[in-house]
This record gives sequence, structure tokens and C-alpha cells, in this order.
Amino acid sequence: GAGVSQSPSNKVTEKGKDVELRCDPISGHTALYWYRQSLGQGLEFLIYFQGNSAPDKSGLPSDRFSAERTGGSVSTLTIQRTQQEDSAVYLCASSFRDWAGNEQFFGPGTRLTVL
Amino acid sequence: AQSVTQLDSHVSVSEGTPVLLRCNYSSSYSPSLFWYVQHPNKGLQLLLKYTSAATLVKGINGFEAEFKKSETSFHLTKPSAHMSDAAEYFCVVSEMNTGFQKLVFGTGTRLLVSP
Repeated sequence: GAGVSQSPSNKVTEKGKDVELRCDPISGHTALYWYRQSLGQGLEFLIYFQGNSAPDKSGLPSDRFSAERTGGSVSTLTIQRTQQEDSAVYLCASSFRDWAGNEQFFGPGTRLTVL
Repeated sequence: AQSVTQLDSHVSVSEGTPVLLRCNYSSSYSPSLFWYVQHPNKGLQLLLKYTSAATLVKGINGFEAEFKKSETSFHLTKPSAHMSDAAEYFCVVSEMNTGFQKLVFGTGTRLLVSP
């Protein structure tokens, strides 16, 4: 069956522009997570959705970052006024239920480069 | 907060020799632990997980890991390396005290396999 998909796979943008990154989780997975992988910070958690709700947004690096999820499925991560330090690979993961020990299935990521 | 320490940033082995990737964890309660693998330009794939059942966990592609509470370790091993094992490996602990399963990643170990 289909795994987690993300689009675009690569995005190059200019400093100050807004970008939208999309995640399509595995069908039926209620939990959705965003992570960021960068050279300086390694892999870090950004935000979690249960259904369409994000109970904890404390992982988002700044108020330029926002995310939403609609219909309990697709999620969009938006970065406004991008900065060079936002350059990273943004990973999305989904899980059938948010239970301790449940596997999170990862997408291939979106590589964001801010010039 | 939970954390993991991967003791080696790089490990080099010859094809056919054993692999040992070391991981120590810090957790205030019985943790869920994972090993994920990331091949170049690919997404993260789960190798195996520990969730308080058997302490010796077998995963895919001949990998296994042993949970040792007294040593707070969760080292990954494989009896005989294959060229296709060359990748980056992440030890991960599950943090639940935020009310949801947040994965906390180690800094990664790059495995190099020579012919």
C-alpha cells in the first residue's frame, strides 16, 4: 500500500518568501507528526496532530512556522518570511494511533533551500 | 526529559564482519526505544523497536538489539555486514510526558562498509 508522501521533494526559495510543504499520511492514520532534519540541529520534533487538532505547538521554532491538518488527512506546514536558517529537510510521519511504542512511518521529506 | 546518546558518529567495517552501533539512553521511566535507518536520499525506515517485552529484539535485515536496563543501553548489532547496510542509523527514545509520543533522536551513526 501507499506510504507517507510529501511534496515538493525539493524547494528552493529566496529569503523572505513564504513556502508551503505538504504531507499525505497513510490512510487511516490518525496521528501525524512533523520533524526537521538539519546539519546543525539533527532531527528535531516540530508539531503533532491528533485528527485535525495540534495539542502541542511548542516544537515550532518561531511564530513564522504554522501547520494545519484538514479532514484528518493532509497536513500543510507553512513557513513565512523564510530565513537561511530554515534550510533543512522537513519530514512528516504518521501513526495508526498515538500510543507509546507505535511505529511512526516517515515520508521521504522535503528538502528546503533558502538562498 | 528523555534523551539518547550515540557513542560513535562513524563506524567502519568490512563486508562480512560484525556490526556494533552503540546507544545509551536516559529515561525516568521504562522507555520505548527504536532504531531507524536512513539510506542516502531516502526516508527513515524502522529497523526494530523495544516496548518492554523481550529484551532481545530482532529486526529486519538481520539486525538485533538488546535492552539492558542496568547499563541503560540499547546497542544495535548484526553478525555479518553487507554492502547494502551502509547508511545512517538513528537510536530513538519515545517521550510520552507531553501527552503524546514524541520521538527524540540521537545524533546518528554513519555506517561505512568496505569490500
